[in-house]
Amino acid sequence: NAGVTQTPKFQVLKTGQSMTLQCAQDMNHNSMYWYRQDPGMGLRLIYYSASEGTTDKGEVPNGYNVSRLNKREFSLRLESAAPSQTSVYFCASSWGQGSKNSNQPQHFGDGTRLSIL
Amino acid sequence: GENVEQHPSTLSVQEGDSAVIKCTYSDSASNYFPWYKQELGKRPQLIIDIRSNVGEKKDQRIAVTLNKTAKHFSLHITETQPEDSAVYFCASPGGRALTFGSGTRLQVQP
Repeated sequence: NAGVTQTPKFQVLKTGQSMTLQCAQDMNHNSMYWYRQDPGMGLRLIYYSASEGTTDKGEVPNGYNVSRLNKREFSLRLESAAPSQTSVYFCASSWGQGSKNSNQPQHFGDGTRLSIL
Repeated sequence: GENVEQHPSTLSVQEGDSAVIKCTYSDSASNYFPWYKQELGKRPQLIIDIRSNVGEKKDQRIAVTLNKTAKHFSLHITETQPEDSAVYFCASPGGRALTFGSGTRLQVQP
């Protein structure tokens, strides 16, 4: 039981390059999330998926796209990376579905450290 | 949407002392309040949570208290140890996802 698995763990990109961050969970959770964490700014929600087949914007969605490939997998794509997207990206998952998912504990992956030059 | 404010941003205590971190929230309908601990370079991990039908919950040296009237909840750590040094985040439901506070860096001095 691995929990939430993120790949890659580290990545360096050049401005304008594209990249997809992968996330998979084996806990049979309905809801999945992508956050970015910048120094001193806590965790900011980029996108989330309250159930398989649905995705919604969070607090900071600009410059990102997501795909809920199936119940296990939720990917985050940067189409044209910018230095402002240098951050640590965390994927998380939780029980609950729809309006109930925000009342459940979230389980986080180990993060992807992304640097954009 | 939900607004969560967390104080203080940094906290330094001597080993063995108690530490208290407070969060306020804006949505009176919120009913779930978790606390996460994040060690340097690691992922956030849930350490304790409370639902709105109780006012206090304890787990060994940590406790969370909730005041729904005042819309604030607090994390209490007693008999602090060096391994408690980390960043702590509170959270509250904001629509369909949790809204996190900005974090408190706790340093326990041996």
